Amino acid sequence: AQTVTQSQPEMSVQEAETVTLSCTYDTSESDYYLFWYKQPPSRQMILVIRQEAYKQQNATENRFSVNFQKAAKSFSLKISDSQLGDAAMYFCAFLTSGTYKYIFGTGTRLKVLA
Amino acid sequence: DTAVSQTPKYLVTQMGNDKSIKCEQNLGHDTMYWYKQDSKKFLKIMFSYNNKELIINETVPNRFSPKSPDKAHLNLHINSLELGDSAVYFCASSLGLAGRGETQYFGPGTRLLVL
Repeated sequence: AQTVTQSQPEMSVQEAETVTLSCTYDTSESDYYLFWYKQPPSRQMILVIRQEAYKQQNATENRFSVNFQKAAKSFSLKISDSQLGDAAMYFCAFLTSGTYKYIFGTGTRLKVLA
Repeated sequence: DTAVSQTPKYLVTQMGNDKSIKCEQNLGHDTMYWYKQDSKKFLKIMFSYNNKELIINETVPNRFSPKSPDKAHLNLHINSLELGDSAVYFCASSLGLAGRGETQYFGPGTRLLVL
């Protein structure tokens, strides 16, 4: 069975600084997808970034980028130039190709300090 | 233009009651999901429907019954509510191409409190 682990329950970052949120997963599959979702206090879950496992190039979306290490089964999220609006719960998620069952990690609460 | 909407947003009820949560998406997606987020923020899939057919049914008590009258709607009915059912329930949808890494679009959540 696939599992997703986020070992940091809470992280803090100073505004304009960079922070990295870690995520590791366990799977025997070779074809899968990884995601980072953001859940602000409003509760609305929003996709931040996605990565296809067969692509070696790390995904980037503006200030958000990932460090995808397939052999190590690691998928960390880097947020550059942190903004107050980045404060939220961040969830790492995994999806085996060909299935619909998304598996979420336990989340990391990110606080951004002014 | 709400993509995925849920009603109600808040639901407070007594133990033993039966309640329903409605979900609608206007994205033209084929697949819809129900998730439960507990007090520790753990998000776990409960059900998924693709074109009105049940495709995922996780270990969920029989008191929970999803219903999809059409592919734009996925409702969740809960019988004989228990204290442990208190959580936030999220509806989501995706395009429907099995496991192609599609983005899921989430509703705003329904906070259920069972007293």
